[in-house]
Amino acid sequence: DIQLTQSPSFLSASVGDRVTITCRASQGISSYLAWYQQKPGKAPKLLIYAASTLQSGVPSRFSGSGSGTEFTLTISSLQPEDFATYYCQQLNSYPFTFGGGTKVEIK
Amino acid sequence: QVQLVQSGSELKKPGASVKVSCKASGYTFTSYAMNWVRQAPGQGLEWMGWINTNTGNPTYAQGFTGRFVFSLDTSVSTAYLQISSLKAEDTAVYYCAREVCSGGSCPDAFDIWGQGTMVTVSS
Repeated sequence: DIQLTQSPSFLSASVGDRVTITCRASQGISSYLAWYQQKPGKAPKLLIYAASTLQSGVPSRFSGSGSGTEFTLTISSLQPEDFATYYCQQLNSYPFTFGGGTKVEIK
Repeated sequence: QVQLVQSGSELKKPGASVKVSCKASGYTFTSYAMNWVRQAPGQGLEWMGWINTNTGNPTYAQGFTGRFVFSLDTSVSTAYLQISSLKAEDTAVYYCAREVCSGGSCPDAFDIWGQGTMVTVSS
């Protein structure tokens, strides 16, 4: 199975900050990586797919990059509604594993 | 609009069974695979497997074989997850999620999620 390691697992940031979350895969997954945002009590929401393609309706302050084994999700200017937990997911091969999550909290 | 609506919360005793439904609307049900994801309380997301909505053929992740069954009723655009011989460790929120393929490289991601069904197993 492909393991996904997210870092950091927790980060504290202020409104307006630039935030970067990293996701490392245990083996190459090309660009078969998606990013999701989850708020408490809600279902995950797709932000980015194919490593860098912004899902329709998602604000442009979110961006994704990377290929192979290292990927990043960047929020260019953190907004109050962005405080949530973020997960990466690989869809290169079964099982479609998720990273452990990164919780973004208000500083 | 495109949505997945799941059945409501369940409280079950150990050893019982539960069947969670996931009703699709706003799109052609058989054009997209359906996945199931588990989230235990306070924990991350865990992929359980998927079902081909054309053939009904299920694929289960390791750890979700035997007691877990995915099924369909295409006449009502609904996917089901049945769990038998429930254990306390099955307590979790269960999500169905539509798998999207843009055509360039497939699959892309899970673009539509149900609201989740909380299954609590307690004596």
